[in-house]
Amino acid sequence: DGGITQSPKYLFRKEGQNVTLSCEQNLNHDAMYWYRQDPGQGLRLIYYSQIVNDFQKGDIAEGYSVSREKKESFPLTVTSAQKNPTAFYLCASSHEGTEVEAFFGQGTRLTVV
Amino acid sequence: AQKITQTQPGMFVQEKEAVTLDCTYDTSDPSYGLFWYKQPSSGEMIFLIYQGSYDQQNATEGRYSLNFQKARKSANLVISASQLGDSAMYFCAMRGYNTNAGKSTFGDGTTLTVKP
Repeated sequence: DGGITQSPKYLFRKEGQNVTLSCEQNLNHDAMYWYRQDPGQGLRLIYYSQIVNDFQKGDIAEGYSVSREKKESFPLTVTSAQKNPTAFYLCASSHEGTEVEAFFGQGTRLTVV
Repeated sequence: AQKITQTQPGMFVQEKEAVTLDCTYDTSDPSYGLFWYKQPSSGEMIFLIYQGSYDQQNATEGRYSLNFQKARKSANLVISASQLGDSAMYFCAMRGYNTNAGKSTFGDGTTLTVKP
């Protein structure tokens, strides 16, 4: 079945450590996105990529980094520079264009301990 | 720049009744798409309905319809015949085609509770 897979579902990190969240899709989508969601709030765009080897900062990119070496994969690294990383992270993908919806992964809940 | 505003943090509706969830937007792009998603307590995001900025007709998908008023920059979601399973958080989102090409922006969401 085609879909988008995020791993792990739950992640615990010590302060000062970098951590990488995985996002893989087999939908042959060109565009991929990373969002952060805090409790009871909406999604905020961290980074997005419309094509391999290219990506753009979203609204809250500070303290995060991404790579897009393969079409299927768009990993997100939460660095120690991110002051408040505890949140729910959602990855999404879509075909190019404005009229197509995004497909979302199940999310990764990151907790800093 | 683009922005989505959802002014209703929480809404209640009686089962089998209709409910309207508000969404207003702002964008510098002349061409854009508007989307609604549902997020149950499990956290997954479920696509509901899409409206293009140049579409003449309001979009409908089963019990969901989108009341699109371009001059007012509003894209309200109407759910008819509410069901208990409709209880969830609902997000309005947009994606631009020009300056904001590829960038999707979400509102803060509305939590809908359906009462039996």
